[in-house]
Amino acid sequence: KQEVTQIPAALSVPEGENLVLNCSFTDSAIYNLQWFRQDPGKGLTSLLLIQSSQREQTSGRLNASLDKSSGRSTLYIAASQPGDSATYLCAVRGGSEKLVFGKGTKLTVNP
Amino acid sequence: NAGVTQTPKFRILKIGQSMTLQCTQDMNHNYMYWYRQDPGMGLKLIYYSVGAGITDKGEVPNGYNVSRSTTEDFPLRLELAAPSQTSVYFCASHRGTEQYFGPGTRLTVT
Repeated sequence: KQEVTQIPAALSVPEGENLVLNCSFTDSAIYNLQWFRQDPGKGLTSLLLIQSSQREQTSGRLNASLDKSSGRSTLYIAASQPGDSATYLCAVRGGSEKLVFGKGTKLTVNP
Repeated sequence: NAGVTQTPKFRILKIGQSMTLQCTQDMNHNYMYWYRQDPGMGLKLIYYSVGAGITDKGEVPNGYNVSRSTTEDFPLRLELAAPSQTSVYFCASHRGTEQYFGPGTRLTVT
């Protein structure tokens, strides 16, 4: 059974800092991995999707990497801003077409 | 495209009542999903569907039912609501790669 773990559960940083969020998964047989952002009381917004054949994806100040063999992904946020404050969720899709989610990392960026 | 829409946004139920959460997508996606999210937790899969007329259980299906008569709609039915079903419910869809989520329904059972 696939399990997804996100570390840390919460992170507080000063504005302007570069930071890394971690995601690990137990079964490396995945089709893709997706990072989402969730603002309080809101739905999920897709940030980046990495196919199993890819090593990384970039969008603006965000960079996500994938090491399938070791079961790890990282989300790198450059020059963090208060508007980046949210919960970041990692999810992997395996052969069953179902996404398995981690519990998320709650990020607070202080002005 | 409206994407994935859900109604209602909020609902309070008394124990033992029933209700249907509505979900519609206009992207012609085959796959649709229902998740619940409890405070501080990730999303847990309740039911999913790979196409009209086909549904299957996810991780936490007890107390829920679904149907998929059209590609667009995937309603979630709660029979005999219980306090343990207090949660935020998300509907999602995908075809191919990226998964899209609705805005959620916040349900309280008292």
